[in-house]
Amino acid sequence: SQQGEEDPQALSIQEGENATMNCSYKTSINNLQWYRQNSGRGLVHLILIRSNEREKHSGRLRVTLDTSKKSSSLLITASRAADTASYFCATGRSGTYKYIFGTGTRLKVLA
Amino acid sequence: DSGVTQTPKHLITATGQRVTLRCSPRSGDLSVYWYQQSLDQGLQFLIQYYNGEERAKGNILERFSAQQFPDLHSELNLSSLELGDSALYFCASSVDLPGNTEAFFGQGTRLTVV
Repeated sequence: SQQGEEDPQALSIQEGENATMNCSYKTSINNLQWYRQNSGRGLVHLILIRSNEREKHSGRLRVTLDTSKKSSSLLITASRAADTASYFCATGRSGTYKYIFGTGTRLKVLA
Repeated sequence: DSGVTQTPKHLITATGQRVTLRCSPRSGDLSVYWYQQSLDQGLQFLIQYYNGEERAKGNILERFSAQQFPDLHSELNLSSLELGDSALYFCASSVDLPGNTEAFFGQGTRLTVV
């Protein structure tokens, strides 16, 4: 079963705008990761944030984590057409042997 | 390039057949995971191996099996294939367990059952 739910399911924006997508999860976690998947291709790891971190940056990406609300957000600033993809969150938890993925957000950036 | 290699990239086969998907993890990674992604669906966890031992099973059908070899590469065997088994099959690897580190994914094997 999927632990995470992502919101929105689909998002369409203009190039240059910011895109924000959210991920909610159900149990306590040790880390949360975000992945990008271009149509029909492999998942590319974007960023990992640990449960004791609140915010992390990588280039145009900003990730926040609120463990009290069991939620995370991914912000892509100054979006480009090449950012068009599906974005998934995945959680990792001590004592477990699998990553649990969210349902994904399909982002379309219009040129 | 994630460093995780999956072969073949594409596979077309008939119902009732058996296929083997292969995964080479990143150098030094001890954990290997298999996930299935059907059309427009999320990723369903199938099975995980850590240093040669099966540690977790997810929604893996009895017709499917997997193993991890001493050199840490893994194979996923799918038998008595049905049309509904058509999907993208991903392998991922990580240096440690999910609570401690991230996973890196291969490009996947696209299986089409006709």
